[in-house]
Amino acid sequence: RKEVEQDPGPFNVPEGATVAFNCTYSNSASQSFFWYRQDCRKEPKLLMSVYSSGNEDGRFTAQLNRASQYISLLIRDSKLSDSATYLCAVIPISSGSARQLTFGSGTQLTVLP
Amino acid sequence: GAVVSQHPSWVICKSGTSVKIECRSLDFQATTMFWYRQFPKQSLMLMATSNEGSKATYEQGVEKDKFLINHASLTLSTLTVTSAHPEDSSFYICSARRLGDMNEQFFGPGTRLTVL
Repeated sequence: RKEVEQDPGPFNVPEGATVAFNCTYSNSASQSFFWYRQDCRKEPKLLMSVYSSGNEDGRFTAQLNRASQYISLLIRDSKLSDSATYLCAVIPISSGSARQLTFGSGTQLTVLP
Repeated sequence: GAVVSQHPSWVICKSGTSVKIECRSLDFQATTMFWYRQFPKQSLMLMATSNEGSKATYEQGVEKDKFLINHASLTLSTLTVTSAHPEDSSFYICSARRLGDMNEQFFGPGTRLTVL
């Protein structure tokens, strides 16, 4: 089983729609959680960290469910510019002091006009 | 702040040659740098963790004699793909963690390697 799993999509949604992505992780002792956005042929950029209490940044809401070992990203009122691949990332306890990121395979989102 | 550069941004080389990729933290000191590889439509796979002044730690399945990593200063790490073959063609991305920051990694823009 992969350490971090995501639905690869693609998700094609109309402008203005609400879309949600989930990501599951296998190590219950994982420490930190993130959502990254990656545009085609570019490096990933940190979208938001995910905190236990859930957090919101404008149209984006991230949540963590430790009991079920998943994190989610909700995008409201989606814009054309939201089209990208969204990667979840986890710092598993096994990474020790190096605190390496383990990425999911990414979910491709296309927002249609 | 927290800008990471990579050079070159793309390279095309013949099979059997070696290619060096540089990763620099431009405005901060990076005790730890990471090297990833990403094949088309796949996720970033960590290749190795590089600590300044010490040997890199390679992930399982990554040949340390083929992918030479040098982290000689707090702002520079290099990855050399030795005797490159077409299957090494990929997008190589580095990231750096700022001294004292245990969480966030700052990513370079990536280097696209094509081996003919």
